[in-house]
Amino acid sequence: DAKTTQPPSMDCAEGRAANLPCNHSTISGNEYVYWYRQIHSQGPQYIIHGLKNNETNEMASLIITEDRKSSTLILPHATLRDTAVYYCIVRVDGGNTDKLIFGTGTRLQVFP
Amino acid sequence: DARVTQTPRDKVTEMGQEVTMRCQPILGHNTVFWYRQTMMQGLELLAYFRNRAPLDDSGMPKDRFSAEMPDATLATLKIQPSEPRDSAVYFCASGPSRGETQYFGPGTRLLVL
Repeated sequence: DAKTTQPPSMDCAEGRAANLPCNHSTISGNEYVYWYRQIHSQGPQYIIHGLKNNETNEMASLIITEDRKSSTLILPHATLRDTAVYYCIVRVDGGNTDKLIFGTGTRLQVFP
Repeated sequence: DARVTQTPRDKVTEMGQEVTMRCQPILGHNTVFWYRQTMMQGLELLAYFRNRAPLDDSGMPKDRFSAEMPDATLATLKIQPSEPRDSAVYFCASGPSRGETQYFGPGTRLLVL
């Protein structure tokens, strides 16, 4: 079972920041938070991941609360091409398993 | 731009037929995953390999599904015999050794009539 909870859907105006929340209240100390997205009819695409510090790359920023029980993915200037299902996943790094357990994700609709 | 490739992209077959899906992982990646996606179940992990050895196939129906890696550049997923409930999109993904990122292929859309 997925260890994360996300809202089923969100809307965002083009050009505005999209803030996608994720709850992972049972996360363990060695589990990372990963974000993937799936644009319609395509395979999932890696976005970003982090352990406890905030992270930023060319696609997005990841803000993780101090207690690590929740996080927010931020797309700073959403475009129509960011319309997709966004998956928040917790995963152990460095162990013997590389499993990603996908939940139902958040369907983000960016509108003009 | 290195990518995971999958063939065929679309497959329509009749119940009872054998289906073979192929995946070419990104060169240098030694971990390969097979996922299945349906509207009802979402994305499910079927099996994965590291260095061509199966590590976990607990998500795969053993009676009709089989996954292999004949060599480092080819992974296969076979269904024999196929059933209508196998209709789904099958994704292959690859990653570096114990890497944090999985790179997904475009998927094979399977319809079993």
